[in-house]
Parts: sequence; C-alpha cells; structure tokens
Amino acid sequence: AQSVTQPDIHITVSEGASLELRCNYSYGATPYLFWYVQSPGQGLQLLLKYFSGDTLVQGIKGFEAEFKRSQSSFNLRKPSVHWSDAAEYFCAVGIQGGSEKLVFGKGTKLTVNP
Amino acid sequence: EADIYQTPRYLVIGTGKKITLECSQTMGHDKMYWYQQDPGMELHLIHYSYGVNSTEKGDLSSESTVSRIRTEHFPLTLESARPSHTSQYLCASNELAGRTDTQYFGPGTRLTVL
Repeated sequence: AQSVTQPDIHITVSEGASLELRCNYSYGATPYLFWYVQSPGQGLQLLLKYFSGDTLVQGIKGFEAEFKRSQSSFNLRKPSVHWSDAAEYFCAVGIQGGSEKLVFGKGTKLTVNP
Repeated sequence: EADIYQTPRYLVIGTGKKITLECSQTMGHDKMYWYQQDPGMELHLIHYSYGVNSTEKGDLSSESTVSRIRTEHFPLTLESARPSHTSQYLCASNELAGRTDTQYFGPGTRLTVL
C-alpha cells in the first residue's frame, strides 16, 4: 500500500539556521509529491509540488525540495529559517496520477528558537 | 491562493446533537474532499466528490455523511454527535489542470463533542 513516512516528529532549529525535513514515500508508480505547511489553527497551504522534470523544485517562502527516486525521498529544505516558519509540515504523495487522491505523512512539527 | 471557506471554525456541542459542517469554494472546482485530522496525526480522507450528485467514501470509515447538490457547496453532517467524533475536519477542492493539479484546503473546523 502507498505510504509516506516523515521520520522526524519534532525538529527544533535556531532562527537563521538551515533546515531539512525528511520525507520518504512508498509508491509503485511515478509519484506526484507535495509539501504542505499548517500553522496552528489553520488549514494546509501548499509549499511546493513535484510532478516531473527537474528534480529540484522551488516553492514559496524560500523553500525547496529535491526528489530522489533512488532513495524514494522528497526532502524539504530552507537555507535560513525565520521565526514565522514555525508550523507543522506535511509531505504527501498523489496516488492517482496527480493530486486527485493524496496520502499524507504524519507531519513534522518545527519549532524555531530566537 | 484558493478561496475555500469553512464554517464554523470552532464548535463545541453535546452528545447526540445533529451538526452540519459547511464547506464552500468559489473556484468552480469539480472535486471536493473532507479530511479528518487528529492532533499529531496525518490527514485521513473520509469523503470525496467528483461533482454534483457524486459522493464517495474515503479511506477512513466515518459515521458522517455528505451531499453535493451544488458545485460550490459540500457540507458534512453528523446525525448524532459522539465524543469519538471530536477532531479537526478539513475541506479541500481540486483544480485539475495539468501542472496546476493541486488540492487547496480550507481553514478547518475544530469539533469538540462533550
């Protein structure tokens, strides 16, 4: 069955430090991959997505993610974290050739220290 | 940014009451979704719709029901609320258009059943 694993439940970084959030997926076909961010009490906002082509994807708010087929990974990165990036981050895989049906990971909560 | 609205944002209600969670979108999207999200957990799909008069159950069994009489409106109903229904409910809609294929989320309804 399709699944998404986010190994880190909670990550704490200092403001200005670099960030990498890990995501591994299990899916037999070519994956459509997404990263969403959820601030407390809010819905999910799309950060970026990968469908095909260049494996390094740029998103909003200075985030990027790299698709590595050999590692079944789609890790999210940001070179310099801002206090406003504190939120929960969800990785998802589209299992019907797009975003028609999404399977989500359990999320990684990011805390940013001043 | 998509325009998806959910009301109420917060609801505290007693056991046995009937409740309806509202979801509306103004983009004319055909596909709409309801997810249930417990704290620290991934989103689980409970209902989806491919268009007017189309509703399907999702991966997670739910005692709730949905209807889709108008394209823009996708309400979720619980006939008799129980404490086990306490959760956050997120509505989403899907823009299917090639590389813009993306699910957009509303802000969510946090339901507490006493």
